[in-house]
Amino acid sequence: GQQLNQSPQSMFIQEGEDVSMNCTSSSIFNTWLWYKQDPGEGPVLLIALYKAGELTSNGRLTAQFGITRKDSFLNISASIPSDVGIYFCAGLTLTGANNLFFGTGTRLTVIP
Amino acid sequence: SAVISQKPSRDICQRGTSLTIQCQVDSQVTMMFWYRQQPGQSLTLIATANQGSEATYESGFVIDKFPISRPNLTFSTLTVSNMSPEDSSIYLCSVGQGPRTEAFFGQGTRLTVV
Repeated sequence: GQQLNQSPQSMFIQEGEDVSMNCTSSSIFNTWLWYKQDPGEGPVLLIALYKAGELTSNGRLTAQFGITRKDSFLNISASIPSDVGIYFCAGLTLTGANNLFFGTGTRLTVIP
Repeated sequence: SAVISQKPSRDICQRGTSLTIQCQVDSQVTMMFWYRQQPGQSLTLIATANQGSEATYESGFVIDKFPISRPNLTFSTLTVSNMSPEDSSIYLCSVGQGPRTEAFFGQGTRLTVV
């Protein structure tokens, strides 16, 4: 399957700080998705990006679809304790039977 | 988005036994998928559940080990057969309204095999 590499793998930040994480691939994707997974829960869709260069916000979250279509980043501003969790990027292709590929995840810890 | 309910939410099972996980959606959906998330890992697609026909399995997953049913557009089951400790994972049901659209997830079933 296609490999999506997320960085960093984990982050420890102080409450109120901004967070930035990214996702890169050797393959082109047509849609980029960002999910958050809380402990004991399934992933929840945060943001969907459909066009290269697109910048989309959802509250304190901002994500961008890279121009090359091989990367995406997610920013969280003014972090709060409930931002704790694992963030996954996912890339969606238009071809192939299995066309949704997940990144390796970024584990975020927010220190109050 | 659709509300997706999985049962059970967690279970502890003896090796050699089988567990059937249910996924119920509150509205009709085109696509239903089953994923596995091993401890500390990302999500891996097991199969696409097809209504009224055999599921489409990904490489490394076979029907004998993970039989799947999908009798209608709102319900699917995944069975983990002849379990071993290596099957200890979170199993997630996912739905989408098309083959090239966003996927939404249930809360998952945390399985521990002892």
